Amino acid sequence: SAVISQKPSRDICQRGTSLTIQCQVDSQVTMMFWYRQQPGQSLTLIATANQGSEATYESGFVIDKFPISRPNLTFSTLTVSNMSPEDSSIYLCSVVRTEINTEAFFGQGTRLTVV
Amino acid sequence: KQEVTQIPAALSVPEGENLVLNCSFTDSAIYNLQWFRQDPGKGLTSLLLIQSSQREQTSGRLNASLDKSSGRSTLYIAASQPGDSATYLCAVGGWNQLTFGKGTKLSVIP
Repeated sequence: SAVISQKPSRDICQRGTSLTIQCQVDSQVTMMFWYRQQPGQSLTLIATANQGSEATYESGFVIDKFPISRPNLTFSTLTVSNMSPEDSSIYLCSVVRTEINTEAFFGQGTRLTVV
Repeated sequence: KQEVTQIPAALSVPEGENLVLNCSFTDSAIYNLQWFRQDPGKGLTSLLLIQSSQREQTSGRLNASLDKSSGRSTLYIAASQPGDSATYLCAVGGWNQLTFGKGTKLSVIP
């Protein structure tokens, strides 16, 4: 399995501020994914973070709100910008180890509360 | 667009009982199907991965089956324990994307 370290594990933030979430993987991976899980809901893909190119965003998510960096093959960050209470969710990073049967692995998540 | 449905949304069983969780999906053109466990406020732990060419996978007390033609998967948990209490998520793998169901919240009563 892949070991994924995500931080912070939780945070309470004021509306209008920004939070950057970090995701560190124990080995090099081609693609990393960022998901959002709103309260009581399932996971929704925000974007795919590609090393050496811009992230690919899903419908309903934009770069200005969720900028993503991918400086190398083991690290990525997701920033939640200009936060509002509606951004209160669990944010999760994920990787797929394509050499191991395309199994997906997840970090422990960041529980964000915006007040 | 792929849609994944999990039934039931919640399930409560006494300890020791065998149980089945259900997952259905609308598009049978999948790469794989994965079952996860999520504890409250936490990330996801991978339980079982079934490739599209496989029919089932087993790990300990867990057995997952896949029937692509009917768009269904089941997760069988044998001899349930209180430590099995969690939300179980089914995710269908397409090209570079997983589509998740809303999960089944399982409570195992001692």
